[in-house]
Amino acid sequence: GENVGLHLPTLSVQEGDNSIINCAYSNSASDYFIWYKQESGKGPQFIIDIRSNMDKRQGQRVTVLLNKTVKHLSLQIAATQPGDSAVYFCAENNPGRRALTFGSGTRLQVQP
Amino acid sequence: TAGITQAPTSQILAAGRSMTLRCTQDMRHNAMYWYRQDLGLGLRLIHYSNTAGTTGKGEVPDGYSVSRANTDDFPLTLASAVPSQTSVYFCASSVGRASEQFFGPGTRLTVL
Repeated sequence: GENVGLHLPTLSVQEGDNSIINCAYSNSASDYFIWYKQESGKGPQFIIDIRSNMDKRQGQRVTVLLNKTVKHLSLQIAATQPGDSAVYFCAENNPGRRALTFGSGTRLQVQP
Repeated sequence: TAGITQAPTSQILAAGRSMTLRCTQDMRHNAMYWYRQDLGLGLRLIHYSNTAGTTGKGEVPDGYSVSRANTDDFPLTLASAVPSQTSVYFCASSVGRASEQFFGPGTRLTVL
């Protein structure tokens, strides 16, 4: 069946290091992917998105990589800061489904 | 611009009682969504609406109903609450189905 999942439920990094959060998806028809950040007690917040006709997209301190061959998505955060501590979700859009499908999330903990 | 708002922030409800969770957006987005978020399960779609006047069922629609009388409002009703509906509920909106979803701050509901 369809699956949007994450390899690591918790990731702990030192402040200043780079972070990489991974996501696997199983539906090759998915054409749009988003990364969300959710801080404790708040709703998910958009970070960056990528369409399936791209393999890389960069934002401010964040980069999303899409590997359609192995159906893998990653979020790279450069120079991780304490404010980056949160749960990160990937989401995919499959044209045959009703809405975005969300993964279960990875918690990023930044150690000072 | 307020974006997307939800009310109430939190609620404790006796089992068997009814309740309506409110959601309003001021972005003139066509699509709106209701999710529930339970620990370890990520976001699960309850109901959605692609445009005013239409609604559809998501992954976990049982025990919930929605209406979309206008573009801005998308209330979620629990007709007879049960303890398994204890969760955090997020409303979201987007320009279209395959586009970034903006989330509200959430409603924490406890059914006793």
